[in-house]
Amino acid sequence: EPEVTQTPSHQVTQMGQEVILRCVPISNHLYFYWYRQILGQKVEFLVSFYNNEISEKSEIFDDQFSVERPDGSNFTLKIRSTKLEDSAMYFCASSPTDAEETQYFGPGTRLLVL
Amino acid sequence: RKEVEQDPGPFNVPEGATVAFNCTYSNSASQSFFWYRQDCRKEPKLLMSVYSSGNEDGRFTAQLNRASQYISLLIRDSKLSDSATYLCVVNSEDNYGQNFVFGPGTRLSVLP
Repeated sequence: EPEVTQTPSHQVTQMGQEVILRCVPISNHLYFYWYRQILGQKVEFLVSFYNNEISEKSEIFDDQFSVERPDGSNFTLKIRSTKLEDSAMYFCASSPTDAEETQYFGPGTRLLVL
Repeated sequence: RKEVEQDPGPFNVPEGATVAFNCTYSNSASQSFFWYRQDCRKEPKLLMSVYSSGNEDGRFTAQLNRASQYISLLIRDSKLSDSATYLCVVNSEDNYGQNFVFGPGTRLSVLP
């Protein structure tokens, strides 16, 4: 069964450093998403991406965040200058055809900012 | 008012019990509704979509009441493996556009 994959599974970084989180969505899916979940809190939407551009983004997704689909398979989330409060689990998700469809989640990257 | 609210939990039930979770949502224009389950430190996994007519998948039954903006999930004959956090998810449109809004989750522990 096809699945969303994410790398790395864990990332530890120093405050102020840049990190890039990588995702490979399911191959025939057209919509891609990033979410984050701070430990003990709910899953929060960050951004959705369709047709090589951002379609929606939340108030959390400020100028320090960016997303890119550098090739036909990868989908990345870059955090330019990490803050302590960026420590969270970051989930990538994809859906087949539109934003109302079921989304399939990757296993997540646990980011720890020191 | 929070967009998606759920029973605070946790629910601790014996094996074989029937348990019901409730969820309410604030945006009346929401179109799609789902139940996901999330195991500790794992990703959310789709349990079932929720349709207006209600739907059943084995031991799981989901109901939607659009007038009351209420969604429910019923688990019959609960198993130890049902222990997880159950997330109510609503596709909703807010100031930032259309996106999935997650409830805070209700944790279920099924005890032997």
